Amino acid sequence: KQEVTQIPAALSVPEGENLVLNCSFTDSAIYNLQWFRQDPGKGLTSLLLIQSSQREQTSGRLNASLDKSSGRSTLYIAASQPGDSATYLCAAPARGSYIPTFGRGTSLIVHP
Amino acid sequence: DVKVTQSSRYLVKRTGEKVFLECVQDMDHENMFWYRQDPGLGLRLIYFSYDVKMKEKGDIPEGYSVSREKKERFSLILESASTNQTSMYLCASRNQEAFFGQGTRLTVV
Repeated sequence: KQEVTQIPAALSVPEGENLVLNCSFTDSAIYNLQWFRQDPGKGLTSLLLIQSSQREQTSGRLNASLDKSSGRSTLYIAASQPGDSATYLCAAPARGSYIPTFGRGTSLIVHP
Repeated sequence: DVKVTQSSRYLVKRTGEKVFLECVQDMDHENMFWYRQDPGLGLRLIYFSYDVKMKEKGDIPEGYSVSREKKERFSLILESASTNQTSMYLCASRNQEAFFGQGTRLTVV
């Protein structure tokens, strides 16, 4: 069974800082990993999908890396802004499964 | 723009009522999912479907059922709503990338 852990659970930073959010997973035989953003009371918005054959993916100020051998992924946010305040979740399927297993998320606050 | 649409953002139902939560996707995805999300517990899988008329139990199926009569539509049914089913319900669909609906905040009183 896949278990996904996200550290830290909460983060508060001043605007402009570069951030690293961490995601670890127990079953490294994944075929992809996905990062999401969730605003309060809303659904999840897909940020980045990394296939198992890729080492990283970039979208604007976001960069996600994947190291399957160590069971880790990181989401790097450059030059953080107050609008980045949200909960960030990662999801990875278990071996042979297409069902995403989610971490508990990192709650991020970027203050002006 | 890809879309997963849930029929309601907010619902208030009485204990014992039968409740239907509808989810429609326009991406021709085979796989669809229902999760519930509660503070401190994260997202928990209720049911999923990998094809029309096919369904599988997730981690917490008790008190719920599902229906998938058409590929684009996946319905979650609360047979007899109870207060412990008050939660945020999230529908998702995927082939490779997963997409979520906007969520339904259900309150059972």
